[in-house]
Amino acid sequence: GAVVSQHPSWVICKSGTSVKIECRSLDFQATTMFWYRQFPKQSLMLMATSNEGSKATYEQGVEKDKFLINHASLTLSTLTVTSAHPEDSSFYICSARWPGANVLTFGAGSRLTVL
Amino acid sequence: DAKTTQPNSMESNEEEPVHLPCNHSTISGTDYIHWYRQLPSQGPEYVIHGLTSNVNNRMASLAIAEDRKSSTLILHRATLRDAAVYYCILRDLPSNTGNQFYFGTGTSLTVIP
Repeated sequence: GAVVSQHPSWVICKSGTSVKIECRSLDFQATTMFWYRQFPKQSLMLMATSNEGSKATYEQGVEKDKFLINHASLTLSTLTVTSAHPEDSSFYICSARWPGANVLTFGAGSRLTVL
Repeated sequence: DAKTTQPNSMESNEEEPVHLPCNHSTISGTDYIHWYRQLPSQGPEYVIHGLTSNVNNRMASLAIAEDRKSSTLILHRATLRDAAVYYCILRDLPSNTGNQFYFGTGTSLTVIP
C-alpha cells in the first residue's frame, strides 16, 4: 500500500515551453504532498509543500511563478515548470505521507531535460 | 531543523554486515530519527525510523544511542541491491500539514561483490 505514482517518468522539451508533472497517490488520500528536485550527484532539495484545496507553500528561493503547483484533489498534485530553460533540467520527485504514519512514500521521479 | 552528519561514502563486502553512522547532536526530544535510501535514478524509499528504542524490520535495524545524539543503521547482510545513498533525517511529531523532510548529503554505500 501507500504507492505514489509520477508521470511522466522522463520528458524532453524545448526552451520556453511549459511542462506538467503529475503526482498521484494510488491507494490512499494525501492532503499534503511534497515536491523535490535533485541535480546530478546532489541531494534532494525540497521545493514546496502542496496542500489540497489551498495554496502551496514554497521554500525560500523557489520561484512560485516559475514552479506552479496545483493540488486539486486528495489524490493528485501537479507541478508545472513554466517557460522552462536548460537550467531547469533536473530530477523532480514528489512524495506524500503515509496515512496515519510519520513516514513518507516517494514517487519514482520525473527527469526533465530542457534543450 | 536539527542537522545530521553522515560520512560521504562507505564500502562493504557483499554478504557482510554494514553499519552506517549518523550524528545528530542537536536532536530535540520529539525528533524521530528516519532513514531513507535512494537507489540510482529512483525516488527515495523508506527504510526505518525510531524515537528512543532500537528498532528492527525486514530491511534493517536501527540502533539509537542512549543520549540520542547518534544512531546507526545496520544492514545485516549487504547485497548488491543495497548499493544506494542512505539518508538519515530528523523529523518532529507528525501533523496534518508541514513537518517537511529535509535531506542532507547522505552516505553513498558501495557493495563490493
